[in-house]
Amino acid sequence: EPEVTQTPSHQVTQMGQEVILRCVPISNHLYFYWYRQILGQKVEFLVSFYNNEISEKSEIFDDQFSVERPDGSNFTLKIRSTKLEDSAMYFCASSRDIKLREKLFFGSGTQLSVL
Amino acid sequence: SQELEQSPQSLIVQEGKNLTINCTSSKTLYGLYWYKQKYGEGLIFLMMLQKGGEEKSHEKITAKLDEKKQQSSLHITASQPSHAGIYLCGADQGAQKLVFGQGTRLTINP
Repeated sequence: EPEVTQTPSHQVTQMGQEVILRCVPISNHLYFYWYRQILGQKVEFLVSFYNNEISEKSEIFDDQFSVERPDGSNFTLKIRSTKLEDSAMYFCASSRDIKLREKLFFGSGTQLSVL
Repeated sequence: SQELEQSPQSLIVQEGKNLTINCTSSKTLYGLYWYKQKYGEGLIFLMMLQKGGEEKSHEKITAKLDEKKQQSSLHITASQPSHAGIYLCGADQGAQKLVFGQGTRLTINP
């Protein structure tokens, strides 16, 4: 079955540094998402993206965060100036069609550690 | 906002035994997803339920959405070590913005 691919699997950064998390969604999918899971907490929605623009974002997704689809295959999450509390597992997800409530596929995640 | 509560929070069963995990919502469920989480493998899609009374099965795993659409259960028959992991339910709040339960950690003892 096709997969959502995320790189890197682990990222360690210093507080205040910029990080870019990368995702390659499934090729015929049109809707893209980022979720995160802080250690010991629930998986939580960050942002959804369709047709090259943000569809919806949570209150977590503040001005420090941005998403981009720089080409036809990649989908990125940028954190401009990382904070300690940004340490989490970040999951990318994609879906073919939200109207039909199609399957939502997740990648294996990027573990971000901010020191 | 919608909240999902899973029970139990953790479960240890003998290999070969059946088990059930429950997911209760504070509001009506319009789309309920079940995922399995294993370290290094992300969230693995299991099943998605939409209609009250709906039941779906895949291999030895069966998921149901009750008629009132406020509770779902996941049942595993004749459990195997490969079933071990964390099971998450997620409610679709529209446009596949999911809110998740806290997860149920399943351990299978040989």
